[in-house]
Amino acid sequence: EVRLVESGGGLVQPGGSLRLSCVASDFTFSSRWMTWVRQAAGMGLEWVANIKGDESERNFADSVKGRFTISRDNAKNSLYLQMNSLRAEDTGVYYCATNGLPWAFDVWGQGTMVTVSS
Amino acid sequence: QSALTQPPSVSGSPGQSVTISCTGTSSDVGIYNRVSWYQQPPGTAPRLIIYEVTKRPSGVPDRFSGSKSGITASLTISGLQTEDEADYYCKSHTSGTTSYVFGTGTKVTVL
Repeated sequence: EVRLVESGGGLVQPGGSLRLSCVASDFTFSSRWMTWVRQAAGMGLEWVANIKGDESERNFADSVKGRFTISRDNAKNSLYLQMNSLRAEDTGVYYCATNGLPWAFDVWGQGTMVTVSS
Repeated sequence: QSALTQPPSVSGSPGQSVTISCTGTSSDVGIYNRVSWYQQPPGTAPRLIIYEVTKRPSGVPDRFSGSKSGITASLTISGLQTEDEADYYCKSHTSGTTSYVFGTGTKVTVL
């Protein structure tokens, strides 16, 4: 079964850092774009960042540019999101997702909760 | 990267049809047929229901259909069922880079 499992969420103080992970199974991980999407409580979905299968391209939302980095380890079927200089508005559930269909995220993880608070 | 505009809520009785609009710009919805739609029941991860404007992934009922005209895409749910109660989001690829923008989301209520 194609599956994505996120981990690494938790409580962090403003200005702090956190690294999220996403492990993939049952698809050719190295050939796919991978994406992070977040959702604040009671709010809508926000595209955060993505990375091409061969790591040759990365893109970020303006709201996280310069603070977040995205990386992957194709040998471990793993995706990462390094989040620095965290702000209260970064609080929310973070999902990883993948493009198994053209320009669409057909597989999603269950999400991991990030809370930025003092 | 402004969010695409959707109505906050739509409602209908079982068996009726509802349509959700998704308005973007000439830099996203208007330039590409790369619009997708996601269904998100409360407390769950989003689920893809439409991609490339009109296509349905395997397993999605044909009650769900998509279309686009200019800078506005639409999702229609025909023969509304109680299990269709959820939040729905559109998403489009944006020009210039391989990045995306989501819609503001629409809550569908089955009366």
